[in-house]
Amino acid sequence: DQQVKQNSPSLSVQEGRISILNCDYTNSMFDYFLWYKKYPAEGPTFLISISSIKDKNEDGRFTVFLNKSAKHLSLHIVPSQPGDSAVYFCAASAWNDYKLSFGAGTTVTVRA
Amino acid sequence: DVKVTQSSRYLVKRTGEKVFLECVQDMDHENMFWYRQDPGLGLRLIYFSYDVKMKEKGDIPEGYSVSREKKERFSLILESASTNQTSMYLCASRTGTGPYEQYFGPGTRLTVT
Repeated sequence: DQQVKQNSPSLSVQEGRISILNCDYTNSMFDYFLWYKKYPAEGPTFLISISSIKDKNEDGRFTVFLNKSAKHLSLHIVPSQPGDSAVYFCAASAWNDYKLSFGAGTTVTVRA
Repeated sequence: DVKVTQSSRYLVKRTGEKVFLECVQDMDHENMFWYRQDPGLGLRLIYFSYDVKMKEKGDIPEGYSVSREKKERFSLILESASTNQTSMYLCASRTGTGPYEQYFGPGTRLTVT
């Protein structure tokens, strides 16, 4: 039973426009959320995170928004660049838990 | 920078073979993890270790075992490889306290024929 869901398997966006990736979770004990980026034949790399005490965290072109009441988070990439083409995984953890629960991933393709 | 290395990038094994996947991290991290990644399923946790000689089952431990004799090294063992274990295997590590971020190795693409 997947506790973290990314319902859009793919997203295509034009270079320079905004990419919005969505993630929903079911476990109300989750209090920390992360986004990872993965290129083919490489391991995932950490991108950005947010704690449940915040509703927004920004790092350069990447912003994560958290809506706790809806159990929903989103990642905004502005502006999108060709190097952003990758698979993006949403992950979540409960306080003091070793483990992360991952979503199925969204493949982003940025068109020139 | 944290570095997590995996012994092989690509591996081809036959059904029934015993397979060893090795992972080494150089940041003195307490926790280490083994995942497999399959299309449409994301990353699923096989086993994790929160300290040397300590291990716990993840979500899909069947058909796998692990060993952690030294802090920096975490091994995944497929006792008798089967075709449904063809997958990308990813090792990760993190510190035992503080940030939740896990640091991943490059992965091993295992094909069982």
